[in-house]
Amino acid sequence: KAGVTQTPRYLIKTRGQQVTLSCSPISGHRSVSWYQQTPGQGLQFLFEYFSETQRNKGNFPGRFSGRQFSNSRSEMNVSTLELGDSALYLCASSLALGSSYEQYFGPGTRLTVT
Amino acid sequence: GIQVEQSPPDLILQEGANSTLRCNFSDSVNNLQWFHQNPWGQLINLFYIPSGTKQNGRLSATTVATERYSLLYISSSQTTDSGVYFCAPRNAGNMLTFGGGTRLMVKP
Repeated sequence: KAGVTQTPRYLIKTRGQQVTLSCSPISGHRSVSWYQQTPGQGLQFLFEYFSETQRNKGNFPGRFSGRQFSNSRSEMNVSTLELGDSALYLCASSLALGSSYEQYFGPGTRLTVT
Repeated sequence: GIQVEQSPPDLILQEGANSTLRCNFSDSVNNLQWFHQNPWGQLINLFYIPSGTKQNGRLSATTVATERYSLLYISSSQTTDSGVYFCAPRNAGNMLTFGGGTRLMVKP
């Protein structure tokens, strides 16, 4: 069974631009979560989607948004990019919503903002 | 939210040595996962262990939920074990909360 896939793997953007990252979960998984990893803040939760609805949100500004499609694929968008948005963005999928389900991570998208 | 502390932050071992990584968390949790982050950034699942002990080859993990800690044991370490190890408990809020990680370097 294929793992979680993320596209693109690497991205370079300029301050002020916007970016969209994509995540395809493991087949049959319906919950998708997004995390940001930076050297200063470590790994932080962004949001979680299930059944096309955002179920949980971390402490990030409104410039960070996401959505989930009916096939469980998810996208996250960052508008008006700032230098501090440079990070590794990781997507994770699990079978369903709930803390009793193991999460599996994709390879990540490394975003550089110049 | 849950506070997660991992120790030691850095660890250097000679190939073949054993090690114990510790994860302390501040609140009751519903489950806990251990990950190994490879040099390319991907988080590899090691254990899903809300309580008790599990073993997978040279690795084993123990979580004592009532005392709010988890341990990861690595025996007969190999150079391929190098990388960063994260523990991530989850509570009713559902998201994984990551510790700062333990950076392991295994020298040949």
